[in-house]
Amino acid sequence: DAGITQSPRHKVTETGTPVTLRCHQTENHRYMYWYRQDPGHGLRLIHYSYGVKDTDKGEVSDGYSVSRSKTEDFLLTLESATSSQTSVYFCAIRDASDNYNEQFFGPGTRLTVL
Amino acid sequence: KNQVEQSPQSLIILEGKNCTLQCNYTVSPFSNLRWYKQDTGRGPVSLTIMTFSENTKSNGRYTATLDADTKQSSLHITASQLSDSASYICVVRARLTGGGADGLTFGKGTHLIIQP
Repeated sequence: DAGITQSPRHKVTETGTPVTLRCHQTENHRYMYWYRQDPGHGLRLIHYSYGVKDTDKGEVSDGYSVSRSKTEDFLLTLESATSSQTSVYFCAIRDASDNYNEQFFGPGTRLTVL
Repeated sequence: KNQVEQSPQSLIILEGKNCTLQCNYTVSPFSNLRWYKQDTGRGPVSLTIMTFSENTKSNGRYTATLDADTKQSSLHITASQLSDSASYICVVRARLTGGGADGLTFGKGTHLIIQP
């Protein structure tokens, strides 16, 4: 998984509780991304980062926030989890110098909101 | 709206047989097309990436083709093995003119099952 770890790998939580997912990379890549994957949908971009403290919204950002205080860590926070946020979450990284702009994905976090 | 459509949704074949997965896209302007393999419970892993000028690319038993005129791609798997059981995802990148996200549009994937 290209030097990417995600934690936790599995989490069950209750509606209304805050949840933070962590993505950690050892590749020193500039770009990091958070996606969610749901049945019947392709991977959908939640938020992305193009450097430390530089983040922007993706297509499904409502209800999510992110932070990147260090190159290696990108955090995804659900301020008040809802059942619609039950999903598998993937982090991805990309090297700024890659001509193909290829993204490498982490192992995923399965989140269940009851 | 940029879209990527994959077919079939699912496919079951016997070990040793060949198969072909299809990807049609409407992404414009086109930059490149990738095929990813996603094993159950794992993240997607890249198999091939093709640009506008590449119409065939191989990675072992996997061969991807691209017809940029008709906006179609296929992934051919030769002599399938049990380990080929996975979802195969087609991803198309739009050529971006400014900053922002990578302009990726993901297909929903084809779920392939190889039976012994």
